[in-house]
Amino acid sequence: GAVVSQHPSRVICKSGTSVKIECRSLDFQATTMFWYRQFPKQSLMLMATSNEGSKATYEQGVEKDKFLINHASLTLSTLTVTSAHPEDSSFYICSARDLIPGTQYFGPGTRLLVL
Amino acid sequence: KQEVTQIPAALSVPEGENLVLNCSFTDSAIYNLQWFRQDPGKGLTSLLLIQSSQREQTSGRLNASLDKSSGRSTLYIAASQPGDSATYLCAVSPSGGGADGLTFGKGTHLIIQP
Repeated sequence: GAVVSQHPSRVICKSGTSVKIECRSLDFQATTMFWYRQFPKQSLMLMATSNEGSKATYEQGVEKDKFLINHASLTLSTLTVTSAHPEDSSFYICSARDLIPGTQYFGPGTRLLVL
Repeated sequence: KQEVTQIPAALSVPEGENLVLNCSFTDSAIYNLQWFRQDPGKGLTSLLLIQSSQREQTSGRLNASLDKSSGRSTLYIAASQPGDSATYLCAVSPSGGGADGLTFGKGTHLIIQP
């Protein structure tokens, strides 16, 4: 089956620093990738839709200048949390959509802790 | 705006029982519905995907049904085992060919007692 990887799996950083999370589709090309965030004991919430070669589409309430998304190739999307604060601490999960419409494959997630 | 609700929020049953997890969604205009499993601190494992034109899907001891018109889906787990303990998430894809992100429920936290 299709595999999506994320790197890093865990990251701890100081408040005010920026953190980049990578999402890769390993054995298929993904024109669309999605970024989700999950707070403790909450469900996953869609943050943004990342389209290869174009600007990301952000959900209401998600600051595009704080969560920078780049989808430079068909196999890689990156999410950069800029000037991270403790309230940004969360579990970030990406998914990649393959050529079969509606099939999204999820990465293993990245746990971010901002001190 | 689509809302997905899962009932119960938590469930603890003895090993061997058959059980049903419920999922409801407010907007019936969906492309498909998926059930996922999430272990503590881990990512998602896709269990079953039901297209909007389908009524059920089966995989091993798992069976998922979909009643699109009433906005409901159920996940049936037969002969539960301790290894089934996890959080089960239901998610819907809006109509539009699956090009959009999913809307998730809050999940059912399942504990199977040995």
